[in-house]
Amino acid sequence: AQSVSQHNHHVILSEAASLELGCNYSYGGTVNLFWYVQYPGQHLQLLLKYFSGDPLVKGIKGFEAEFIKSKFSFNLRKPSVQWSDTAEYFCAVLNSGGYQKVTFGIGTKLQVIP
Amino acid sequence: KAGVTQTPRYLIKTRGQQVTLSCSPISGHRSVSWYQQTPGQGLQFLFEYFSETQRNKGNFPGRFSGRQFSNSRSEMNVSTLELGDSALYLCASSLDGDPGNTIYFGEGSWLTVV
Repeated sequence: AQSVSQHNHHVILSEAASLELGCNYSYGGTVNLFWYVQYPGQHLQLLLKYFSGDPLVKGIKGFEAEFIKSKFSFNLRKPSVQWSDTAEYFCAVLNSGGYQKVTFGIGTKLQVIP
Repeated sequence: KAGVTQTPRYLIKTRGQQVTLSCSPISGHRSVSWYQQTPGQGLQFLFEYFSETQRNKGNFPGRFSGRQFSNSRSEMNVSTLELGDSALYLCASSLDGDPGNTIYFGEGSWLTVV
């Protein structure tokens, strides 16, 4: 069965600091990769997704993620965080043919201090 | 257009009772999936429906069931509630569940079992 590991459960950064959140998955076949964000009191929103092509994916609000197949990783990055980025971030994987059976990581709570 | 709508937003039930949660997908979306979100387990896939048929199921006991109607609206039911069923239940919809389609989440139904 697919599993997704997010290495940092709680990250605290100052504004303007750079962010990298780690994500590793276990399944070696064709996968579709996602990062979702959940702002306080709001629903899950898609930040970015990778299906194929350029392994460096750019999403909304200045976020990007790099798919490294050999490392089964899909790390999320942002060069300079803002207070408004305070949220919980979820890495997710959808196996080819898995319809909507998305496997999520446990989530990383990011707190940005002004 | 309206997003994924879930009702009720909050509810409190007693152990042993049953509960039904409702989800209206985005207009035109035919695939509906359900997830359970808890602090300790993160987001876990429950099941996915397309054209009134369950296509995929997660690792939950038979107390958790669902259905989809001809208008794509979906309900999930939990019978014989246990304290551990307290969670945020999220509904998500997409056009047809193809990995290429973005999955949109509702705000969720907060269930507390006492």
